[in-house]
Amino acid sequence: AQKVTQAQTEISVVEKEDVTLDCVYETRDTTYYLFWYKQPPSGELVFLIRRNSFDEQNEISGRYSWNFQKSTSSFNFTITASQVVDSAVYFCARAVEHAGGTSYGKLTFGQGTILTVHP
Amino acid sequence: EAGVAQSPRYKIIEKRQSVAFWCNPISGHATLYWYQQILGQGPKLLIQFQNNGVVDDSQLPKDRFSAERLKGVDSTLKIQPAKLEDSAVYLCASSSDRRYTGELFFGEGSRLTVL
Repeated sequence: AQKVTQAQTEISVVEKEDVTLDCVYETRDTTYYLFWYKQPPSGELVFLIRRNSFDEQNEISGRYSWNFQKSTSSFNFTITASQVVDSAVYFCARAVEHAGGTSYGKLTFGQGTILTVHP
Repeated sequence: EAGVAQSPRYKIIEKRQSVAFWCNPISGHATLYWYQQILGQGPKLLIQFQNNGVVDDSQLPKDRFSAERLKGVDSTLKIQPAKLEDSAVYLCASSSDRRYTGELFFGEGSRLTVL
């Protein structure tokens, strides 16, 4: 199976620190999609971002930024000036496109990184 | 708009008993997914429906798990008989195929404990 690896099981930071969550993926496919989801204590996963394999441009959204590097099969996520509300489990995931585009939902998730931001 | 609704939120049963989980997706979402999330792991897809047809059930343990989506709206996931290793959170998600953003909308999950 083509895995998604999040090597950091838990990260603990103090508010206002920057933090980077690592994600490394395996793939034999030319076209694929990478995702980050956030799972707060309430349990529902919340979509943060999707990138496709042809778009290596880094993206910034407010305090969040993502660094996609195909050469190292990595898709890292940085939170700048972390806040207590950022405390959650963060999952990196990947999907492969098949004919008809129906496979977006077949996400392969990493193990998740538990982020705790202390006041 | 209302989110993905799931029930029950919690269920405790003994091994070999049966259990059923219900999911109502976001209105208008044609695709519905059931994921299993074992403690400390990422979610794993069990089954994917598009309308009322199964798209992918390759990871569904069919000897004990079954799922249906009658009328292409809400869905039920059943486990019979349950084993200890079925203890997990069962997450339902839905997506709108019209947009192809890849964004899945998840419910809060149904936590199952098998004793």
